[in-house]
Amino acid sequence: DIQMTQSPSSLSASVGDRVTITCRASQSISNYLNWYQQKPGKAPNLLIYGASSLQSGVPSRFSGSGSGTDFTLTISGLQPEDLATYYCQQSYSSPPYSFGRGTKLEIK
Amino acid sequence: EVQLVESGGGLVQPGGSLRLSCAASGFTVSSNYMSWVRQAPGKGLEWVSVIYSGGSTDYADSVKGRFTISRDSSSNTLYLQMNSLRVEDTAVYYCARAIRTTYDLAYWGQGTLVTVSS
Repeated sequence: DIQMTQSPSSLSASVGDRVTITCRASQSISNYLNWYQQKPGKAPNLLIYGASSLQSGVPSRFSGSGSGTDFTLTISGLQPEDLATYYCQQSYSSPPYSFGRGTKLEIK
Repeated sequence: EVQLVESGGGLVQPGGSLRLSCAASGFTVSSNYMSWVRQAPGKGLEWVSVIYSGGSTDYADSVKGRFTISRDSSSNTLYLQMNSLRVEDTAVYYCARAIRTTYDLAYWGQGTLVTVSS
């Protein structure tokens, strides 16, 4: 099975900051990498699919990059409503379509 | 408008069974990849199961042989039959829909809580 390692597990940033979250796969997954945002008490929300494609309705300050084993989610110009936990998920080949352990983002 | 509404959660004793339902509207369940994802209290997301548009299914090793995913076209509903439940199955269970073959889960329900405890 493919393991997904996210870092950091938590971070604190100020409004307006540029924030970067990384996700590493235990083997190459091409660009089959998705990013989700989960706000407290809510269901997850798809942000990025195919490593770098922005899901409809998601603000353009969110972007994704990477391929193979190393991926990045960037928030350019952090907003107070971005307080959430962020998860990566691989969807390469066959299941299980594993998630990373999450990155909890706090606003200073 | 796409909507997913889970039901069927509750308190069950270890070794017991429960069936979760996910009523869908705004699209056809049988034409899409549908999944169950769970989240134990205070923990991260765990992928549980998928049923593909063709009807084939897959499961996480942690539930294989105990859980069964299925769907009903007449009611446009997704199900998760959970047998031989364990304390570690306690979680909020979400149903979700993938809108592309890249299996990105674009639509989620609100979740239903399953508590396995004696």
